[in-house]
Amino acid sequence: SYELTQPLSVSVALGQTARVACGGSNIGSKNVQWYQQKPGQAPVLVIYRDSNRPSAIPERFSGSNSGNTATLTISRAQAGDEADYYCQVWASTTHVVFGGGTKLTVL
Amino acid sequence: EVQLVESGGVVVQPGGSLRLSCAASGFTFDDYTMHWVRQAPGKGLEWVSLISWDGDSANYADSVKGRFTISRDNSKNSLYLQMNSLRTEDTALYYCVKGGDLDYWGQGTLVTVSS
Repeated sequence: SYELTQPLSVSVALGQTARVACGGSNIGSKNVQWYQQKPGQAPVLVIYRDSNRPSAIPERFSGSNSGNTATLTISRAQAGDEADYYCQVWASTTHVVFGGGTKLTVL
Repeated sequence: EVQLVESGGVVVQPGGSLRLSCAASGFTFDDYTMHWVRQAPGKGLEWVSLISWDGDSANYADSVKGRFTISRDNSKNSLYLQMNSLRTEDTALYYCVKGGDLDYWGQGTLVTVSS
């Protein structure tokens, strides 16, 4: 079965750039979605199909995907960006897979 | 505005059954695949099941296959999850999620399996 691997935690200084990685076998051939989940809230889609932002998501959020790694990049990190971030792909036409999640801390 | 409102979560004993519902509004429900995704307390997201726009096709995670059944009623803009033979490890917040991009999520309904 297809697996996605994320670091448990990432830290970033206020105003700096955070990068959250998502590893998977030939993930570059798949479309990757990213979700932000704050404590006590439902997940929110922040990036879809590798690099597209829903209209309500700030331009500071961007995504890329190549080879065996997809990356969520958060520029000019703010305190409000502290959350858990999950990557997701369609492992096949019939099954969806999530990464284990990364806790982002803004210092 | 897209809205997904789950209901039906309760405390149930191991081996019991439960039916979750999700009421959808703000979009053309029968245009979209729908999913159930769950999150155990303090854990990550786990995809559970999906159903095609017309209800003709359904798929399940191995952890629930043979015990859970997903269905939909497009005339009522509603999604369902019938959960049988429940186990303690099924304890989780269950989310109803829209579409191939999983772009909108409900607030979830809590299922607790405990004796």
